[in-house]
Amino acid sequence: EIVLTQSPVTLSASPGGRATLSCRASQSVSDNLAWYQQKPGQTPSLLIYDASTRATGVPARFSGSGSGTEFTLTISSLQSEDFAVYYCQQYNNWPPMYTFGQGTKLEIK
Amino acid sequence: QVQLQESGPGLVRPSETLSLTCTVSGFSIANGYYWVWIRQSPGKGLDWIGNIYQGRSTYYNPPLTSRVTMSADTSKNQFFLKLRSVTAADTAVYYCAAMVRGASFDYWGRGTLVTVSS
Repeated sequence: EIVLTQSPVTLSASPGGRATLSCRASQSVSDNLAWYQQKPGQTPSLLIYDASTRATGVPARFSGSGSGTEFTLTISSLQSEDFAVYYCQQYNNWPPMYTFGQGTKLEIK
Repeated sequence: QVQLQESGPGLVRPSETLSLTCTVSGFSIANGYYWVWIRQSPGKGLDWIGNIYQGRSTYYNPPLTSRVTMSADTSKNQFFLKLRSVTAADTAVYYCAAMVRGASFDYWGRGTLVTVSS
């Protein structure tokens, strides 16, 4: 099973600032990686798929990069609504298998 | 716009079977997409449970394979989850979701909390 490790566990940042979240895979997942945002009491929402493609309606301040085992989600010019928990998720084509990282909580500094 | 809504009992006794329904609107489950169950234990992360495709092909997370069955009723545009022999460790918010390309989870229901307790 591929394990995803996210760092840091908690990240403190200021509104208007920049946040960089990391996700490391225990073995190569190519670019088969997605990022989700989950606000308190809400459902996770897809932000990025295929490592760097923004989902429909996602603001341009969210960007994803990486391939293989190292991935990054960058949020530039942080808005108040961006403070949430972020999860990465990998997908294996065959057999179908999907695992999530443990999450990074982005909190207001 | 695809919309999903979970329904089912909020309390299940240990050793019994958890049964949930996901009702889909805005897209016919017989026409494609992958239909998914995911759960999130209190204060913890997300776990994929399984997929069903075109109402019949199923794929399960290996640790749960012996206890899980997913099925669908395309005439009602619903799909289902059954999880047998539940324990307290199965207490979680259960989400149904849809994958457009079989890769990432594009659409989610609001989730339903299922507590396993006597």
